Amino acid sequence: DQQVKQNSPSLSVQEGRISILNCDYTNSMFDYFLWYKKYPAEGPTFLISISSIKDKNEDGRFTVFLNKSAKHLSLHIVPSQPGDSAVYFCAASARETSGSRLTFGEGTQLTVNP
Amino acid sequence: DSGVTQTPKHLITATGQRVTLRCSPRSGDLSVYWYQQSLDQGLQFLIQYYNGEERAKGNILERFSAQQFPDLHSELNLSSLELGDSALYFCASSVRPLREQYFGPGTRLTVT
Repeated sequence: DQQVKQNSPSLSVQEGRISILNCDYTNSMFDYFLWYKKYPAEGPTFLISISSIKDKNEDGRFTVFLNKSAKHLSLHIVPSQPGDSAVYFCAASARETSGSRLTFGEGTQLTVNP
Repeated sequence: DSGVTQTPKHLITATGQRVTLRCSPRSGDLSVYWYQQSLDQGLQFLIQYYNGEERAKGNILERFSAQQFPDLHSELNLSSLELGDSALYFCASSVRPLREQYFGPGTRLTVT
C-alpha cells in the first residue's frame, strides 16, 4: 500500500523556468510533509517542510503548497538551476500513530537543462 | 554536510554473516532513525530511537536489531544476512520527534 505517491518518475525543464514536482498521499493522518533532494551516492538533503495547518511555505527559490482536501502537495522551484538536477522525494509523517517516521514517495528525477 | 556521520561507507560480506552499521547523530539531536533503500522498495523506515529508547518500529526484520547508546550514537545490527539485504542503509537524526530529519551519507551493504 503506497501511502505517498509521486506519479512522475522524471521531469525535465529549462534553466530559469519553473519546476513543479507533485506528490499525492492517501493517509489522512499525515500532518507534516517534507521535501528532500538526493544526489547519487549521498543521503537525502532536507529542503523544505509544511505542517497541515498551513497551505503554503516558502524558502528562497522553493515553495511547497499543500491542498489537504485533495491530499496533494507540490514543490515549486523558481528559477530552476542546473545544480537543482537531482532526485526529489516527498515524505510525510503522522503525529499520532507513527512516532514521526517518514513515509517516502518513490522520487522524481529532475533534470534542469542549461 | 548534514552533520550525521555513518560508518562504514561500504561493506561487502557473505550470506549468513553479521554486520554492524554505526551512526553518529548531529550534535544536540536526540532522535535517531534508520532507513533502508533498496532498488525495488524505495526508502523504507526501519526503526527510531529517542534518547536511548526505542520509539517506533517499521518493517524491520527479526534478524535486524538496533540500539542507541548513552552518547546518542546508534548501531544497526544485521545478522544471518541474505542476498536481499543488499541495500543502502541511511541513518537520520532530528532534535526531537516530529521535526525535520537530517540524513547521513549512508552505508552501502553488498551481500554476496
